[in-house]
Amino acid sequence: EPEVTQTPSHQVTQMGQEVILRCVPISNHLYFYWYRQILGQKVEFLVSFYNNEISEKSEIFDDQFSVERPDGSNFTLKIRSTKLEDSAMYFCASSGATATDTQYFGPGTRLTVL
Amino acid sequence: AQTVTQSQPEMSVQEAETVTLSCTYDTSESDYYLFWYKQPPSRQMILVIRQEAYKQQNATENRFSVNFQKAAKSFSLKISDSQLGDAAMYFCAYRSWSNYQLIWGAGTKLIIKP
Repeated sequence: EPEVTQTPSHQVTQMGQEVILRCVPISNHLYFYWYRQILGQKVEFLVSFYNNEISEKSEIFDDQFSVERPDGSNFTLKIRSTKLEDSAMYFCASSGATATDTQYFGPGTRLTVL
Repeated sequence: AQTVTQSQPEMSVQEAETVTLSCTYDTSESDYYLFWYKQPPSRQMILVIRQEAYKQQNATENRFSVNFQKAAKSFSLKISDSQLGDAAMYFCAYRSWSNYQLIWGAGTKLIIKP
């Protein structure tokens, strides 16, 4: 069964460093998403992406964040200058041909900012 | 703004018994989608069941079923014949018909007693 994959599973970085989190969505999906879950808190939406542009973003997704689909398979989240409060689990998701399709999630990347 | 509330931080059930997890939500919209996702210790978010608000019939997936009460804005998950593999965090999520993001509850930790 097709699944969303994410790399790395765990990333440790120093405050102020740039990180790139990588995702490979399900191959025939057209909509891509990033969510985060700070430990002990609710899952929060960051951004959705369709047709090579951002379709929706939350207040969390400020200028420090960017997303890109650099080729036909990868979908990346970049954090330019990490802060301690960026430490969280980051989930990538994808959904199919319409915006109302169910979102399927990857296993997450645990980001630890020291 | 829409909100999702899961009032049970933790539930436990004997193996083979039935358990019901509660979820309420607040919205002024008439068209939307509701989801239950399962997050086992591996941290991957797995779709359990989906309900479209316009459908009066409650969704079922094998041992999992929902009780969708639109007027009461309630969306509970019933797990029948509980198995050890059902142990996980269960999240209720809402999605508007008109935008992409999932809005999440705080989760319920389900413990299965052998």
